[in-house]
Parts: sequence; C-alpha cells; structure tokens
Amino acid sequence: DGGITQSPKYLFRKEGQNVTLSCEQNLNHDAMYWYRQDPGQGLRLIYYSQIVNDFQKGDIAEGYSVSREKKESFPLTVTSAQKNPTAFYLCASSPRAGLAIGKTQYFGPGTRLLVL
Amino acid sequence: GENVEQHPSTLSVQEGDSAVIKCTYSDSASNYFPWYKQELGKRPQLIIDIRSNVGEKKDQRIAVTLNKTAKHFSLHITETQPEDSAVYFCAASPDTGNQFYFGTGTSLTVIP
Repeated sequence: DGGITQSPKYLFRKEGQNVTLSCEQNLNHDAMYWYRQDPGQGLRLIYYSQIVNDFQKGDIAEGYSVSREKKESFPLTVTSAQKNPTAFYLCASSPRAGLAIGKTQYFGPGTRLLVL
Repeated sequence: GENVEQHPSTLSVQEGDSAVIKCTYSDSASNYFPWYKQELGKRPQLIIDIRSNVGEKKDQRIAVTLNKTAKHFSLHITETQPEDSAVYFCAASPDTGNQFYFGTGTSLTVIP
C-alpha cells in the first residue's frame, strides 16, 4: 500500500471547473484503476488502464477523463460535465493478469472531492 | 459482465462471536477472489484472498471458503474483536483480464 500515493487528500471544485486528481505508484504494476465511492456505497469503476497509452471506460466514465502516459502515473480529471462529483476517489494498481505471482489490487489513500 | 452480490449489508455481533459474510458471482471465468477491509475514511486493505484452485484458506482468525460449483465464497471471522469493526468488500476477477468486480460491502459492528 505504501507504494501508491494520491494527492491532494482534499480537493474543492467550483461550478464549471475541471480538476485533476493525481495517482502515482512505484510498485512497477502494469494495471491502474480509478474508483468512486459515495457515502455508504461500494466501489464503482470509473476507468482502468492495463498498459501505458491504453485505458478503458468503467461503469461510470461519463464526466471523467484519464491519461496513461507513464507506467507510474494515472491522473483522473473530473470535468464540468460531471454534475455530482462529490465523493471519495480511490486509485488502485495491480500486476498484469496471468502472472504467477498473482494480481492483488492495492489502493491509494484516496482523495475526497467537494463542490463549493 | 461479472455481477457480484454481497450479503448482509450490515452485521452486528457480540465480541468473541463469529461473523460470516457471503458473496455470489455470476461469471464462471472469475478465478481470483479477494476480500478487503475498509475503516472509516481510509483505503481498502486486502485481508485475505483465494484462487479458484483452492477451496479454503485460513489466516489466524480469518478464513475464506469458495464453492466454484455454486459460484459463492464467504468470509469467516472468528473470535471477533472491536477492532474488526469496519466495512468489508468482496471482489471477483477473471484470469484473462485485470478488471475487478466488487460487492456492495458489509458494515460489521463488533459490540464490546
């Protein structure tokens, strides 16, 4: 867990503003993920990436965008099109599927996004 | 795609009693099943996992069982302690991809 970091811990967004959440890992993991968690709810997948320069939409991708230019980094942008962005955002990473060592998913500490 | 259902959504037990949380999955291609514990405001932490070639795995007070035929797996916590109070999530993942499918969580309260 210590190898995956998120910043900032808290983020405030104004109406019509785009904001970017940072996620960095030094675990040499191929796959990275973004989840959204609302109070009392489970984890919903926003986007995931299995390799550099490639990513796929999850269940709730509308209003979000990502990039994967480096293996270590997977930033998430919450755009103004996301009308209800207040939530706890969790980034995660895992080794590549099929490896004998397994593919345990590790989570970052999260970013709490609030709308002003 | 995969659909993971988790029950119960809330669970209260007396300290020292056992707690059992159950999950079912729909995709027979799923072969990796982790369990996570999330304390309030914190990140989910892996507590135990099981692969489809194993029927049961134990780690001190925590155990997980898997029934591939029935497509369900369960988390068992024995001799519960107040620090076990948290939200627990199950998940399933197929071998061919990196996607994880999570249950909706169980809020466990251990009453001293």
